[in-house]
Amino acid sequence: DAGVIQSPRHEVTEMGQEVTLRCKPISGHDYLFWYRQTMMRGLELLIYFNNNVPIDDSGMPEDRFSAKMPNASFSTLKIQPSEPRDSAVYFCASSQGKGGYTFGSGTRLTVV
Amino acid sequence: QKEVEQNSGPLSVPEGAIASLNCTYSDRGSQSFFWYRQYSGKSPELIMSIYSNGDKEDGRFTAQLNKASQYVSLLIRDSQPSDSATYLCAVRPLSGNTPLVFGKGTRLSVIA
Repeated sequence: DAGVIQSPRHEVTEMGQEVTLRCKPISGHDYLFWYRQTMMRGLELLIYFNNNVPIDDSGMPEDRFSAKMPNASFSTLKIQPSEPRDSAVYFCASSQGKGGYTFGSGTRLTVV
Repeated sequence: QKEVEQNSGPLSVPEGAIASLNCTYSDRGSQSFFWYRQYSGKSPELIMSIYSNGDKEDGRFTAQLNKASQYVSLLIRDSQPSDSATYLCAVRPLSGNTPLVFGKGTRLSVIA
């Protein structure tokens, strides 16, 4: 398996622009998680899905953030409009049942 | 608020020594515990999981769990410069498949 695949690896955008991050989980995994990592706050859970259904989005910082999982092999995290404080590394992870998570390589987002 | 605490480090150990990384957690009902290794600029990688009190060994790594003290540790024997990374402790707060809560990590530096 190719693991969890995220795109793009790097994204530089101007404040106010829309940003879309993409994730393909490991085939057969029934859970998908979106995390954000910064030096100050560490890994923060934004939202997670079970069998494509959003279960808990309480970690999404504002209404500017939204996430979808239209099928078992694809998820998106969208920020609209983006702000400089959104700059961070965004990780997608997937898991099967109660096991540990497999992380994607992450998207480093810089909003200028 | 479920919390996982780790000393941020850096923890510096000489090559060949034992590195001891510690983690405490706030939710007494926590059921499963994981250690992740994260190299600079890379994504977290699962290296150990532990579910019951006691020790679990895997090669040079030993995870130790003490649920009464709400304490989990990771020992790395014969430390190598390639072990230099940030080590993240992750805890599943409740039974069932609630998301992992991550500590902010301990940065380990193994000096040759």
